[in-house]
Amino acid sequence: GAVVSQHPSRVICKSGTSVKIECRSLDFQATTMFWYRQFPKQSLMLMATSNEGSKATYEQGVEKDKFLINHASLTLSTLTVTSAHPEDSSFYICSAPPEQGLYGYTFGSGTRLTVV
Amino acid sequence: GDSVTQMEGPVTLSEEAFLTINCTYTATGYPSLFWYVQYPGEGLQLLLKATKADDKGSNKGFEATYRKETTSFHLEKGSVQVSDSAVYFCALAYNQGGKLIFGQGTELSVKP
Repeated sequence: GAVVSQHPSRVICKSGTSVKIECRSLDFQATTMFWYRQFPKQSLMLMATSNEGSKATYEQGVEKDKFLINHASLTLSTLTVTSAHPEDSSFYICSAPPEQGLYGYTFGSGTRLTVV
Repeated sequence: GDSVTQMEGPVTLSEEAFLTINCTYTATGYPSLFWYVQYPGEGLQLLLKATKADDKGSNKGFEATYRKETTSFHLEKGSVQVSDSAVYFCALAYNQGGKLIFGQGTELSVKP
């Protein structure tokens, strides 16, 4: 089945630095990737939708300059948290929608970001 | 706008008990409905889905029926196991590849 590989699984960074999270579709081409953020004990909040070859679409309230999303190829989408602050600490998950005829959305395993 | 509401957790059950997790939705159109499961420290896995009214999704002993008249998609399992302990998310999406809108999640804890 479709697999999305997300890494790193965990990262700790200092305030003010930037962190890049990668999601790769391993056995299919993902023209679209959804990026979610999950706070402890809470639901997944959609941050943005990346599309290969075009600018990402951000949800209302999400800072575009802080959360840089790039969809460099049909198999790679990245989220860069710039000038990270402790309040950016969270669980970030990417998801690719189903290919035509396949069953469901494919999720990466998530990245636990801790900003100290 | 569209939204999904789930019953609050945590839900604590004994092994072999019957499980119901309520999910209702508000939608402007006719979405597909999903249940996802998240085990501790992991990403989400699709549990089951239904694409139209009266469809029943089922997997691993879990089932849910798309009820248009009550705008509900309640998750049920006849006999839960300790290994079912996880967070369960109800979600909806329009079209093939549209964004998923999630409920707040319901934590299930099954005790031996």
